[in-house]
Amino acid sequence: DTAVSQTPKYLVTQMGNDKSIKCEQNLGHDTMYWYKQDSKKFLKIMFSYNNKELIINETVPNRFSPKSPDKAHLNLHINSLELGDSAVYFCASSREVPGYEQYFGPGTRLTVT
Amino acid sequence: GNSVTQMEGPVTLSEEAFLTINCTYTATGYPSLFWYVQYPGEGLQLLLKATKADDKGSNKGFEATYRKETTSFHLEKGSVQVSDSAVYFCALSDRGGAAGNKLTFGGGTRVLVKP
Repeated sequence: DTAVSQTPKYLVTQMGNDKSIKCEQNLGHDTMYWYKQDSKKFLKIMFSYNNKELIINETVPNRFSPKSPDKAHLNLHINSLELGDSAVYFCASSREVPGYEQYFGPGTRLTVT
Repeated sequence: GNSVTQMEGPVTLSEEAFLTINCTYTATGYPSLFWYVQYPGEGLQLLLKATKADDKGSNKGFEATYRKETTSFHLEKGSVQVSDSAVYFCALSDRGGAAGNKLTFGGGTRVLVKP
């Protein structure tokens, strides 16, 4: 039983295309996140949703649009993909408790050519 | 803003050697502190955590103590195995508020354990 799952695991696409990454958690958590890991392994938060409401948006280009249809799902849609978008994208979830740990999905490796 | 600094790698060790990875942080208030591990080709797994000063987190032989006076959370293991080869991330979380529970990560330290 996977706690936080993401699809697809790998995504190869060309510049200018639009793509989506899906995330689902079965932990009953209220809060979900998207993180980006660059080629140097540096991790940075992009978005956070709590009960379907956006609470963190970290100066991410508006080509990136998260959507949360319910509190168990947080999808990431990316328009007009650029070479610099190539990275590993991680979804995570946690309880709505200050300082609670986050549980991460396996990641989606996006390669833009 | 918050920040986490950890020693750069790679750290190369022999099996059964002692491992220390230094981590220091800057934060307002009283953050929670975490160590996550990323094995090759996988996502991040929580290794251990500490939520207040002087707390010691421990798991799988790893330990780290929340030191408020030195703003540090160094990771240690007494005897590493080849299977400990991975990238280790130190992270902090604001305890709620406008920042929510977002994690601020250090740059990661790659550890390679040789037989």
